[in-house]
Amino acid sequence: NAGVTQTPKFQVLKTGQSMTLQCAQDMNHNSMYWYRQDPGMGLRLIYYSASEGTTDKGEVPNGYNVSRLNKREFSLRLESAAPSQTSVYFCASSERAGKHAVSFGTQYFGPGTRLLVL
Amino acid sequence: GQQVMQIPQYQHVQEGEDFTTYCNSSTTLSNIQWYKQRPGGHPVFLIQLVKSGEVKKQKRLTFQFGEAKKNSSLHITATQTTDVGTYFCAGDRGNQFYFGTGTSLTVIP
Repeated sequence: NAGVTQTPKFQVLKTGQSMTLQCAQDMNHNSMYWYRQDPGMGLRLIYYSASEGTTDKGEVPNGYNVSRLNKREFSLRLESAAPSQTSVYFCASSERAGKHAVSFGTQYFGPGTRLLVL
Repeated sequence: GQQVMQIPQYQHVQEGEDFTTYCNSSTTLSNIQWYKQRPGGHPVFLIQLVKSGEVKKQKRLTFQFGEAKKNSSLHITATQTTDVGTYFCAGDRGNQFYFGTGTSLTVIP
């Protein structure tokens, strides 16, 4: 099993360009997540999908859109990239996500995408 | 603002010394998770604590969840070079999941 895979591994964009980050998991997990990681800030949740067909905003959703294509795949789109979106982006999956529930569950992370916006 | 803070931000220890990182939330958490991220890698789950006052051990690692469920700590006894990395706490509150700011541990051989 590959676990959680992400493409691309690296990307350089110019301000205003758009791109989609791809994520797939083969663990049959219900829930998937997108995080960004910036120095000194830890990981911040952008969007998550508790189950196929649903998406919810996280802590920092502005400037991003997501699509839960099917149970396996969850993509993150930057419509008009800005330098402030320079970051490392991680996708993760878990068996469940909290929505009036006790726990978001153990999260399994992909290797990350390093994005530079000039 | 940042919901979950960790201190210290950085820690350098001699191999064999102990290490502790503290995690503090501005609000009560349903549970706390701990992750480790090696340099250049991705976060890897270590453990989850759910009950108030809970203490769990994994070999040289001891995890505690505060009585008020707003703070937690990770203590490593007799650090080894394999302990190098950044340790994050994380917890959920309602429909949101927050990671701490992380503590970067360097172990000097």
